[in-house]
Amino acid sequence: SQQGEEDPQALSIQEGENATMNCSYKTSINNLQWYRQNSGRGLVHLILIRSNEREKHSGRLRVTLDTSKKSSSLLITASRAADTASYFCATDGTSGTYKYIFGTGTRLKVLA
Amino acid sequence: NAGVTQTPKFRVLKTGQSMTLLCAQDMNHEYMYWYRQDPGMGLRLIHYSVGEGTTAKGEVPDGYNVSRLKKQNFLLGLESAAPSQTSVYFCASSYLLGHGSSYNEQFFGPGTRLTVL
Repeated sequence: SQQGEEDPQALSIQEGENATMNCSYKTSINNLQWYRQNSGRGLVHLILIRSNEREKHSGRLRVTLDTSKKSSSLLITASRAADTASYFCATDGTSGTYKYIFGTGTRLKVLA
Repeated sequence: NAGVTQTPKFRVLKTGQSMTLLCAQDMNHEYMYWYRQDPGMGLRLIHYSVGEGTTAKGEVPDGYNVSRLKKQNFLLGLESAAPSQTSVYFCASSYLLGHGSSYNEQFFGPGTRLTVL
């Protein structure tokens, strides 16, 4: 079963606008990661947030984590056409098995 | 560094045929993973390995076998392919940043697109 569920499934915005996508998960975690996948390519790691962190920034990316609600959000500010991709959250478990569960992804389309 | 490479990139099989997908990484990573990606399903973990000579089952291991004889290689085998195994297969690897914790990012290969007729 999927650990993470992204919302929305698809998002279409104009260049320059902000894009927000959400991830909900089911069990306790050590950390949560966000990945990007361009069409036909492998996934690329964007950012990792640990369970004791509430917010993290990397360039135009801002990630928040609310462990009480078991949810995370990824904000991309001032979006560009090159941000068009699918975005996935991935969560580990606290059992130390080193395996990650990926969500179903949000397909983002940024219109020029 | 080549990072994570996968061979082949594309393959078409007939039902019942067997094949092996090869994943290689040159980053000296301890952990390696095999995922499948189907439309609308995200990535699902098939098998993974936390070190040379060790493997473990993921979410969807049935119909697949794996081997990690060398640290840099992780092989995924399909003994008798079925149409339900039509998918895109991704290999990933990662290292461990903190002792006893999985604070690590995964590095992905470009994928293998497999069609089983």
